[in-house]
Amino acid sequence: KQEVTQIPAALSVPEGENLVLNCSFTDSAIYNLQWFRQDPGKGLTSLLLIQSSQREQTSGRLNASLDKSSGRSTLYIAASQPGDSATYLCAVHNTNAGKSTFGDGTTLTVKP
Amino acid sequence: DAMVIQNPRYQVTQFGKPVTLSCSQTLNHNVMYWYQQKSSQAPKLLFHYYDKDFNNEADTPDNFQSRRPNTSFCFLDIRSPGLGDAAMYLCATSRVGNYGYTFGSGTRLTVV
Repeated sequence: KQEVTQIPAALSVPEGENLVLNCSFTDSAIYNLQWFRQDPGKGLTSLLLIQSSQREQTSGRLNASLDKSSGRSTLYIAASQPGDSATYLCAVHNTNAGKSTFGDGTTLTVKP
Repeated sequence: DAMVIQNPRYQVTQFGKPVTLSCSQTLNHNVMYWYQQKSSQAPKLLFHYYDKDFNNEADTPDNFQSRRPNTSFCFLDIRSPGLGDAAMYLCATSRVGNYGYTFGSGTRLTVV
């Protein structure tokens, strides 16, 4: 059974700092891994999707990496801003439909 | 823009009174999912449809049912809501292949 862990559960940083969020998973037989952002009381917004054959994906100030062999993914946020404050979840897709496992998320607070 | 739309955003229902949540999509994705998310927890998969094929998770209570009358719409029926069913309900879609999930904005259910 796939297990996904996100550490830390909460993170507080000053504005402008570069930061890394971590996601680890136990079963390396994955299709892809997806990072989401969730604002309080809202749905999940997709940030980055990394295919199992890829090592990283970039979108603006965000960079996600994937190391299947070690069961790890990181989300790097450059030059953090208060608007980045949210909960970030990673989801591991084990098949191409139907079976995915989410982490509990890391709640990020960026202080002005 | 193509999207996943959930209605209503907020739903208050009485203990034991049936309630229906709806989800529609303009993405023409063949897989639709219903997730339950409680505070500070990972989304929990209730069931999903692969086209018309219904897939129920083993630990989804019988109190929860779903209908997918066509590709675009999917409904979540809670037959007799209890206080423990208060949560955010998230609808997501995907298409077969390595394309990841698209989520709606969620419905916050309150049971009084």
